[in-house]
Amino acid sequence: GQQLNQSPQSMFIQEGEDVSMNCTSSSIFNTWLWYKQDPGEGPVLLIALYKAGELTSNGRLTAQFGITRKDSFLNISASIPSDVGIYFCAGQLGQGGKLIFGQGTELSVKP
Amino acid sequence: DGGITQSPKYLFRKEGQNVTLSCEQNLNHDAMYWYRQDPGQGLRLIYYSQIVNDFQKGDIAEGYSVSREKKESFPLTVTSAQKNPTAFYLCASASRRYQETQYFGPGTRLLVL
Repeated sequence: GQQLNQSPQSMFIQEGEDVSMNCTSSSIFNTWLWYKQDPGEGPVLLIALYKAGELTSNGRLTAQFGITRKDSFLNISASIPSDVGIYFCAGQLGQGGKLIFGQGTELSVKP
Repeated sequence: DGGITQSPKYLFRKEGQNVTLSCEQNLNHDAMYWYRQDPGQGLRLIYYSQIVNDFQKGDIAEGYSVSREKKESFPLTVTSAQKNPTAFYLCASASRRYQETQYFGPGTRLLVL
């Protein structure tokens, strides 16, 4: 089936550092989404991207929809302890199509 | 407050037993989804429904069943045919216009005794 390759799988960083993670695929996506999941909770939508090349910010978070439509990245600037969690990318293949999820990036922040 | 609720938070199932997980939303969303999450993995789609009284199988529908009798409700039954049901189950919903933008409930953790 369709796959999204999300990297890195995990990150251990110091508070205040910037973070970057990305998702790539061999398929072309119409939409990219980034979610954050806290332990034992449902994912929370962070950013939605709808057009190739689109760059969108949400506070300290910035995400981009790759020009080729096959990739996306998420940056977190000046990380804080509450950024800890698992970050998932998700892509939609076509109009009304199902979402395909990456395996997640687990972020740990040391105060 | 608008949102998606799932109950119970934790559910225990005995071998050979069917159990039903509840998902309710008051967002007036047409589309609803059920996902399964296993440790260290992404979400896998079990079933989805784009409109009342209609639903489709996702990637891992075997051993599960759903119904969509009301717009706000999409219960999932984990049947005895599901041999490895221990997982975290997530329900999501989306509007008809923006079906790609899915919002998730808090999840139900199912454990087999």
